[in-house]
Amino acid sequence: GAVVSQHPSWVICKSGTSVKIECRSLDFQATTMFWYRQFPKQSLMLMATSNEGSKATYEQGVEKDKFLINHASLTLSTLTVTSAHPEDSSFYICSAREISGFFVQYFGPGTRLTVT
Amino acid sequence: GQQVMQIPQYQHVQEGEDFTTYCNSSTTLSNIQWYKQRPGGHPVFLIQLVKSGEVKKQKRLTFQFGEAKKNSSLHITATQTTDVGTYFCAGMETGANNLFFGTGTRLTVIP
Repeated sequence: GAVVSQHPSWVICKSGTSVKIECRSLDFQATTMFWYRQFPKQSLMLMATSNEGSKATYEQGVEKDKFLINHASLTLSTLTVTSAHPEDSSFYICSAREISGFFVQYFGPGTRLTVT
Repeated sequence: GQQVMQIPQYQHVQEGEDFTTYCNSSTTLSNIQWYKQRPGGHPVFLIQLVKSGEVKKQKRLTFQFGEAKKNSSLHITATQTTDVGTYFCAGMETGANNLFFGTGTRLTVIP
């Protein structure tokens, strides 16, 4: 099956610093990647849709200047949390959709961010 | 905006009992997908339903898509401890580009 990786799997950073999370589709090309945020025992909240070579589309309430998304190639998207605060601590999950797929999304293992 | 609700939010069953979770969308969907997330893990794709009234089976799991393409269900027969996790439906609105996840149903199986 399609494999999506994320790096790092967990990160602890100090308040005010920035953190970059990478999402890669390992064995397929993805024109579209998605970034989700999940709080404990809650559902996945779509943050933004990332399209290769163009600007990301952010969901309502998500600050685009705080959560910078770059989709530089068909296999890589990055999410940078800028000037992180403790309330940004969460589980961030990316997913990727195959070019030829019927809109099935394959998820990465997630990145647990803790801001101290 | 699109909303996808799931019921129940939690379900505790004795091993061997059946389990069903229901998913309802506020809008008509082009397709619906089901995912399973184990505790501490990430969502894993289970199945996709596209056609009105479609029924698909995977061993003990039966998935249905409503005639109006606004609701869906997942039924597990004779649950096992390996079925533990949160089951999410995710719907894609007709003409849209992304999935909206349901609220999830957390299944606990008591041995």
